[in-house]
Amino acid sequence: SQQGEEDPQALSIQEGENATMNCSYKTSINNLQWYRQNSGRGLVHLILIRSNEREKHSGRLRVTLDTSKKSSSLLITASRAADTASYFCATDGWDDYKLSFGAGTTVTVRA
Amino acid sequence: GAVVSQHPSRVICKSGTSVKIECRSLDFQATTMFWYRQFPKQSLMLMATSNEGSKATYEQGVEKDKFLINHASLTLSTLTVTSAHPEDSSFYICSAEGERRYEQYFGPGTRLTVT
Repeated sequence: SQQGEEDPQALSIQEGENATMNCSYKTSINNLQWYRQNSGRGLVHLILIRSNEREKHSGRLRVTLDTSKKSSSLLITASRAADTASYFCATDGWDDYKLSFGAGTTVTVRA
Repeated sequence: GAVVSQHPSRVICKSGTSVKIECRSLDFQATTMFWYRQFPKQSLMLMATSNEGSKATYEQGVEKDKFLINHASLTLSTLTVTSAHPEDSSFYICSAEGERRYEQYFGPGTRLTVT
């Protein structure tokens, strides 16, 4: 079942700007992951953050997790045209390793 | 490593026919694979969990007789859409579970169009 909600639904920014998107979920989680999907393609794993972690970095990506608010954010710094894609968060639970995906944020980076 | 392929990438079929989609883990063995469905501009919805050597587990609302899943080997799972209807037109994505249960490696997806 889909438990994540993401906002904004769509985001349009200029190349070089930062893009921030948020994900909220409803039940307690084990891990939260972010994926990227280019139009009509499969998913590419970006980063995983465990429920006992608060922040994680990977290159130009920064993910935060606030389990008290049941929310996570993904920040892409110094965006590039190639970052244009849809971004999804996905959670898994302690008893159930199936992934539950958020609705996604479509990011458009204008050159 | 951890590459998952799907075949075909696109398929067009007529109403009433059946179509099979293959999902392969190319460089690792996957006891568990997952099948998702994605409508345009929407998120991925889990359809079923495919376990090698046993019956698939379907999510609520997914017709198991319509979406037949076979996981006959540790590197191959197939999804057969039987008696396809135009409303079955969608993007179908599979994933294979890695060494850690929360790791999933996704295939590139199959675009099914039923005319």
